Amino acid sequence: AQSVTQLGSHVSVSEGALVLLRCNYSSSVPPYLFWYVQYPNQGLQLLLKYTSAATLVKGINGFEAEFKKSETSFHLTKPSAHMSDAAEYFCAVSDRGANSKLTFGKGITLSVRP
Amino acid sequence: KAGVTQTPRYLIKTRGQQVTLSCSPISGHRSVSWYQQTPGQGLQFLFEYFSETQRNKGNFPGRFSGRQFSNSRSEMNVSTLELGDSALYLCASSLGQGGTDTQYFGPGTRLTVL
Repeated sequence: AQSVTQLGSHVSVSEGALVLLRCNYSSSVPPYLFWYVQYPNQGLQLLLKYTSAATLVKGINGFEAEFKKSETSFHLTKPSAHMSDAAEYFCAVSDRGANSKLTFGKGITLSVRP
Repeated sequence: KAGVTQTPRYLIKTRGQQVTLSCSPISGHRSVSWYQQTPGQGLQFLFEYFSETQRNKGNFPGRFSGRQFSNSRSEMNVSTLELGDSALYLCASSLGQGGTDTQYFGPGTRLTVL
């Protein structure tokens, strides 16, 4: 069975600082990995997706994530945080089967201090 | 293209009642997945429908059911509501089935059970 671990429930950074949100996965087969963002009272929006092409994946709003098989990690980063980045971030994994499904981590709330 | 729409956005019910939630996918998308989001359990997969057939199901009791129509619109039904069913119910659509295609989420239906 696949699973995702997002350590910590809350991260706070200053505006302009590096954003690093950690995600570790468990999967018996090479996975697909996703990062989604959720703003208050909204649904989830895809930030980026790893499908086994380049290990460094660039997403929207300046975010990127690097797939590291040896560490079973897919951490999300952004060089410089903006106030508008404050939201909840979810890492998700799926296997590659026809009946695969997304399994989400618990989510991390990002706060950005002025 | 219009995004995924969910109706109603908010719903208040009492224990023992039943409820039906509706989801209209992005035009051309054939897969609809449903998720329950709560503060305690996070995002949990309910089920997925593709071409009017349930392709995958999560670990929820039989009180939770769904269906998909020929135009890909989907409904989910919860019978004999319990207080613990209070949650944000999200639906997501994708072109293909499974967890490999990018899923696009609707804004959700906030269900409160009193």
